[in-house]
Amino acid sequence: GQNIDQPTEMTATEGAIVQINCTYQTSGFNGLFWYQQHAGEAPTFLSYNVLDGLEEKGRFSSFLSRSKGYSYLLLKELQMKDSASYLCAFKGGDYKLSFGAGTTVTVRA
Amino acid sequence: IAGITQAPTSQILAAGRRMTLRCTQDMRHNAMYWYRQDLGLGLRLIHYSNTAGTTGKGEVPDGYSVSRANTDDFPLTLASAVPSQTSVYFCASSDGTGGNNEQFFGPGTRLTVL
Repeated sequence: GQNIDQPTEMTATEGAIVQINCTYQTSGFNGLFWYQQHAGEAPTFLSYNVLDGLEEKGRFSSFLSRSKGYSYLLLKELQMKDSASYLCAFKGGDYKLSFGAGTTVTVRA
Repeated sequence: IAGITQAPTSQILAAGRRMTLRCTQDMRHNAMYWYRQDLGLGLRLIHYSNTAGTTGKGEVPDGYSVSRANTDDFPLTLASAVPSQTSVYFCASSDGTGGNNEQFFGPGTRLTVL
């Protein structure tokens, strides 16, 4: 079976750092994706990890541990525009994406 | 470049009616997908097409059908709509189906079935 979990909501202050954790279970694995989705809009691609370790892309970083079935998305120097839902998704053995329910991040001034 | 477009933006539909949601991409992507997004459940795959002329069933295909007559278009049809099909529908496309091929999403169609 396939399962993926992430927290429902997180709140942080402008300028701070927030880490969104994601755990997954799958019998086949072809990569871990993070998408950002602002309210009422389409998801947009943030990052892709297929090997263990940290991938850094500006203020956003994504980490993967395949042996633990674990990933996190790190958002640094938070800005008000970062208030959005963040979707964790893994690509299984069938090369199809399975999405988590999303984590809504609220950035407060 | 428009990317990927969907129509209509929103629709209110009576139960039992037939409805086709349209999706068009101009990126010449081989693969296309239909998802529904419901609160607390995340995006769930309805149907997909790895290349023009082929389609496959996703996680929640019942009550929906698709066709892929050409590379650009991937319509989703609800033959007889039911209230449980009230959702936001997203179409997506990707250049290929391999591991690092990201999916690009359309703006979505908000469908309400009464």
